[in-house]
Amino acid sequence: SQKIEQNSEALNIQEGKTATLTCNYTNYSPAYLQWYRQDPGRGPVFLLLIRENEKEKRKERLKVTFDTTLKQSLFHITASQPADSATYLCALRPFTSGTYKYIFGTGTRLKVLA
Amino acid sequence: GAVVSQHPSWVICKSGTSVKIECRSLDFQATTMFWYRQFPKQSLMLMATSNEGSKATYEQGVEKDKFLINHASLTLSTLTVTSAHPEDSSFYICSARDRASGGWELFFGEGSRLTVL
Repeated sequence: SQKIEQNSEALNIQEGKTATLTCNYTNYSPAYLQWYRQDPGRGPVFLLLIRENEKEKRKERLKVTFDTTLKQSLFHITASQPADSATYLCALRPFTSGTYKYIFGTGTRLKVLA
Repeated sequence: GAVVSQHPSWVICKSGTSVKIECRSLDFQATTMFWYRQFPKQSLMLMATSNEGSKATYEQGVEKDKFLINHASLTLSTLTVTSAHPEDSSFYICSARDRASGGWELFFGEGSRLTVL
């Protein structure tokens, strides 16, 4: 069966450290993989998109990697701050979808401790 | 950036009544919008794809007669929960893609929390 898995356990890290979140998928061949941030009671906000032929993408303190062999994406926040505390969702668009439909993972809750 | 507005932010209704939620793209045209449902500490569950000027495409297991979707214009899609029951209580979120920008990211509304008594 098709799955997108993110670590359901909350991730607590100390301010200033690098947070690394994992997104694993099975039985998909994604054309794109995206990361979103969601705060409690709010809609998700787009952060980064990476294509299947790209290995890495950066935006300010954020970095995303995409390994189609391992079927895994890693999301890094460097120099983390308490304001980075939120739930982070990965989403992929399968090659076969034929539409702009995205499938979302369950999200990982990140808490940055001051 | 592109903005999607969702209304109402929260609504409480009695069992058996119908509730309409609106999703508007404020500064771009959205030929396709998506409706999701989210339970506490769970992911977004895609309910349906709303296509301007045509019928919505529902995901497996989503009752189309229960969740009516209308995409009457390039900037507005509505979700109507008909004959609501307490189990319909949830957080409903819409999203849209800005086709003109050529980007693939989705822009989300702020969500609507529905509580059915």
